[in-house]
Amino acid sequence: QSVLTQPPSVSGAPGQRVTITCTGDNSNIGTGYDVHWYQQVPGAAPKLLIYANINRPSGVPDRFSGSKSGTSASLAISGLQAEDEADYYCQSYDSSLSALFGGGTKLTVL
Amino acid sequence: QAQLVESGGGVVQPGRSLTLSCGTSGFTFRSSTMHWVRQSPGKGLEWVTLISDDGNIKNYAESVKGRFTISRDNSKNTVYLQMHSLRADDTAVYHCAREEIYYDTSGYSYWYYDLWGRGTLVTVSS
Repeated sequence: QSVLTQPPSVSGAPGQRVTITCTGDNSNIGTGYDVHWYQQVPGAAPKLLIYANINRPSGVPDRFSGSKSGTSASLAISGLQAEDEADYYCQSYDSSLSALFGGGTKLTVL
Repeated sequence: QAQLVESGGGVVQPGRSLTLSCGTSGFTFRSSTMHWVRQSPGKGLEWVTLISDDGNIKNYAESVKGRFTISRDNSKNTVYLQMHSLRADDTAVYHCAREEIYYDTSGYSYWYYDLWGRGTLVTVSS
């Protein structure tokens, strides 16, 4: 069971907007630690999507956005495309600054 | 183009050992802290271990401490993971990942993974 909680699955039709939440507690996200997001197409390497809560690496479309508040963070994907179908993972830190991951969310584009 | 390629996975009996390698190219390996992160079948990601750029700092998850050893050879641009006393719950795809440091507004340093490999599958089974 992951310390950071994500919904197992979300879905949306092409063009729609979906949000994936990542819920921690006061020992991780609530401490003020940043949250990062990764996208993983099955069988492929994970790819950095959002870092430090809101920042997109170069090459990541602005359809992807992140936010953080209190003990939770969110990844929003607008204008859903078929290629967005993948697993999404959040990452933060524990008190020893070791990586903590969410359990992952499978996005299905209907 | 920066790249990480893991190798060395396979099927191994409980209690035995296995060594994984992560070959790198396209970036200055000797300046990068490297991590191993594993992913159990159908499950999420779990951090395993890290090694600093010069190899002097190593940290391990409690679940592998005393059984796994991380090392690197900067002349070969490769990071290794020696796994001993393997257990069924070590079964996973093992990814290597490159750490990227950044600083928050208070000047504290944090990090994220800006480059990952596809991973190599380790199956521990009799």
